[in-house]
Amino acid sequence: AQSVTQLDSHVSVSEGTPVLLRCNYSSSYSPSLFWYVQHPNKGLQLLLKYTSAATLVKGINGFEAEFKKSETSFHLTKPSAHMSDAAEYFCVVRGQAAGNKLTFGGGTRVLVKP
Amino acid sequence: NAGVTQTPKFQVLKTGQSMTLQCAQDMNHNSMYWYRQDPGMGLRLIYYSASEGTTDKGEVPNGYNVSRLNKREFSLRLESAAPSQTSVYFCASSLAGVSYEQYFGPGTRLTVT
Repeated sequence: AQSVTQLDSHVSVSEGTPVLLRCNYSSSYSPSLFWYVQHPNKGLQLLLKYTSAATLVKGINGFEAEFKKSETSFHLTKPSAHMSDAAEYFCVVRGQAAGNKLTFGGGTRVLVKP
Repeated sequence: NAGVTQTPKFQVLKTGQSMTLQCAQDMNHNSMYWYRQDPGMGLRLIYYSASEGTTDKGEVPNGYNVSRLNKREFSLRLESAAPSQTSVYFCASSLAGVSYEQYFGPGTRLTVT
């Protein structure tokens, strides 16, 4: 079985300050991990993915995430928040034994203050 | 290239009514999925189709049926809608294989009264 826990349901940051969204996962196999973003009333867009290559993964819009097997974590960061980063972010895991099925975390809603 | 498209965008049903949500993709993907999104719960898999001609239950299949009409199209049917099925429904597609990401449609917001 696999599961994902996003440690914060809401994060509030000021524009221009760093963003950290925390994610821990559980998987019986070497996982593939993803971060998706959902802007209000929109579908989900892939930010980045980890599939057992480099542990530091760079994504779109200046986001990056680091896979840490020893901590079973895949935290998402961005050095400087922009107003357009206000959205909901989902950490997602897919284990080798689960085919291509994804398991989603509960989501973190990001508020960016001017 | 439209990606993944869903119809309708919004729907209101009365309890007991039936309806079909349509999904189509033009990326030549093998696998297609239906999810529902409820506040604080992320997305939960209802049904998926790993390839044309196959369908399997996901995490929350009760009250739903699906049809993989062809490689492009995957529909979700509610035979007798219940208020607990009020949700936002997303269709997704991907290439086969564990390293491939899923691409999502814009969603259908369904309210059952």
